[in-house]
Amino acid sequence: DIEMTQSPSSLSASVGDRVTITCQASQDISDFLNWYQQKPGKAPNLLIYNAINLETGVPSRFSGSGSGSDFTLTISTLQPEDFATYYCQQYDNFPPTFGGGTKVEIK
Amino acid sequence: EVQLVESGGGLVQPGGSLRLSCEASGFSFTSFWMSWLRQAPGKGLEWVANIKQDGSAKYYVDSVEGRFSISRDNAKNSLYLQMNSLRVDDTAVYYCARDDARNGPFDSWGQGTLVTVSS
Repeated sequence: DIEMTQSPSSLSASVGDRVTITCQASQDISDFLNWYQQKPGKAPNLLIYNAINLETGVPSRFSGSGSGSDFTLTISTLQPEDFATYYCQQYDNFPPTFGGGTKVEIK
Repeated sequence: EVQLVESGGGLVQPGGSLRLSCEASGFSFTSFWMSWLRQAPGKGLEWVANIKQDGSAKYYVDSVEGRFSISRDNAKNSLYLQMNSLRVDDTAVYYCARDDARNGPFDSWGQGTLVTVSS
């Protein structure tokens, strides 16, 4: 199975900050990488698919980059509603696997 | 609006069985792969199983192979997960999700149903 490693596992940031989360795959996955946001007690929500494509309805302050084995999720200007846990997920190889998550907390 | 509503979770003893259901609406159910995923308390996300549009192909994560069975009824726009020989480490919130391209991206999720395996 492909292992997905996210860093950091948690971070503290203030409203208005620029936030970057990284995700590394244990092998080349091309651009078959998705990002999800999950708020406490809620289901995950797809933010970015195929590494760089913004899902319909997702604010443009979210962006994704990368290919191969190294990927980044960036929130350009952190908003109060962005405090949540973020997960990356690869779907290049079976089975689909997720990173361990990055919890973004209020500083 | 896409809606996925899970049901069937609950408390079950180790070795027991449970059947989860997911009712879909707001999209063409027969056009999509569908998946079950789960999240143990305080833990990350794990994909469990998926099924092709016509039910002709089914895939499972190794840890549930032979114990869980995924199925669908396209006439009822419904997805199912039959869980047998349940273990304590199967305890999780189980989500059904629309699977846009087989194995993801999972572009719509239900609210989840909690399965607790405990004696």
